[in-house]
Amino acid sequence: GENVEQHPSTLSVQEGDSAVIKCTYSDSASNYFPWYKQELGKGPQLIIDIRSNVGEKKDQRIAVTLNKTAKHFSLHITETQPEDSAVYFCAATLGAGKSTFGDGTTLTVKP
Amino acid sequence: GAVVSQHPSRVICKSGTSVKIECRSLDFQATTMFWYRQFPKKSLMLMATSNEGSKATYEQGVEKDKFLINHASLTLSTLTVTSAHPEDSSFYICSARVPSGRGGLGDTQYFGPGTRLTVL
Repeated sequence: GENVEQHPSTLSVQEGDSAVIKCTYSDSASNYFPWYKQELGKGPQLIIDIRSNVGEKKDQRIAVTLNKTAKHFSLHITETQPEDSAVYFCAATLGAGKSTFGDGTTLTVKP
Repeated sequence: GAVVSQHPSRVICKSGTSVKIECRSLDFQATTMFWYRQFPKKSLMLMATSNEGSKATYEQGVEKDKFLINHASLTLSTLTVTSAHPEDSSFYICSARVPSGRGGLGDTQYFGPGTRLTVL
């Protein structure tokens, strides 16, 4: 089955700096890669996603890149703010099937 | 984005009782919903896939008779934890899939807010 590895497990940045979280996946057939933000005591919230026919997608301060050949994708957050502090999960999905999640990255943005 | 609700948000029960958690898609129809369990500071562990009108598909190691799933309509799936014990205490989260309509390139899951179950 699919295996997703996410790095780093924790990330601390200064407000205004950029943050990058990386994920690798094992199944080359996976074709949909969402990123979720989870705040304490709440459910994950979809923040951005990318499909396998696209190499990069951007939404304001958030961007995701996908390298299908290398089987890795990354989340980029620019101009970080304290409210960006949360746990971020990547996931890899095969078609209309279930998603496999990474172990999460705890991002702390220091004011 | 699509909205998914869960009820209750928090429940405390005595050991041996059963607890039902509801998951609703509020502004779309979901033929597929997923149930996850999450331990503190851990990732999401898929328990089962719930398909409307058919039996749920459980992941390996998840007891079907312990975690009963019913997906009776396109907007509602329920998870019943039967004869709950303290080790069942956890954060349970559901998600509903919105078909992307993009020729099978991948469908988006939207998550509910989660239910914190504490079994005494």
